[in-house]
Amino acid sequence: QVQVVQSGTEVKKPGASVTVSCKTSGYAFTTRDISWVRQAPGQGLEWMGFISASDGNTNYAQKFQGRVAMTTDTPTSTAYMELRNLRSDDTAVYFCVVEGASGPYVYFDDWGQGTQVTVSS
Amino acid sequence: DIQMTQSPSPLSASVGDRVAITCRASQNIANYLNWYQQKPGKAPKLLIYAASSLQSGVPSRFSGSGSGTDFTLTISSLQPEDFATYYCQQSYITPRTFGGGTKLEIK
Repeated sequence: QVQVVQSGTEVKKPGASVTVSCKTSGYAFTTRDISWVRQAPGQGLEWMGFISASDGNTNYAQKFQGRVAMTTDTPTSTAYMELRNLRSDDTAVYFCVVEGASGPYVYFDDWGQGTQVTVSS
Repeated sequence: DIQMTQSPSPLSASVGDRVAITCRASQNIANYLNWYQQKPGKAPKLLIYAASSLQSGVPSRFSGSGSGTDFTLTISSLQPEDFATYYCQQSYITPRTFGGGTKLEIK
């Protein structure tokens, strides 16, 4: 059974950086990509990007290019998402998702519990 | 980027009703379409992938249809636990955009 456990609540000031961790278990870590999705208060889901756990290649949404970095640590089966130069509109719940696939069809079937990040002066 | 537009929102219905939620893509995405259910304070849950494939463990009252640009999630007989927000998502190309969500409310 796949488990995805994220780090805890963060409160940051504008301009700071935050790193959210995502520890996985229950599958071969390098066989599945990891996406990050965020959800602002009362809003919908926003895909931020993904990282290939097999080779570390990343694909970021243009909105976050230059401010986000996604990395993985294979020995600990953990993924990380760093968001820099935080603004108040980065206040959101951040989800780590272990992607699934059936042939060419990618889907998000194993989600972390979410990490609340609040940006406030 | 591919824009995903959902309707209606919100949607009011009663237990036992048959409901349909639609999702329209701004360009052809074949059948690269997923549906998720989200309840307050929880992570989304995958219901349907590849437009019509039911995820393991999801009740058979949920079904998906469509291809190209127009898609539908149908719940054949609403149960109390189905009142939630539903999102579509395209996985045709990155960015893997989501629709804005459809909140299914009790009438």
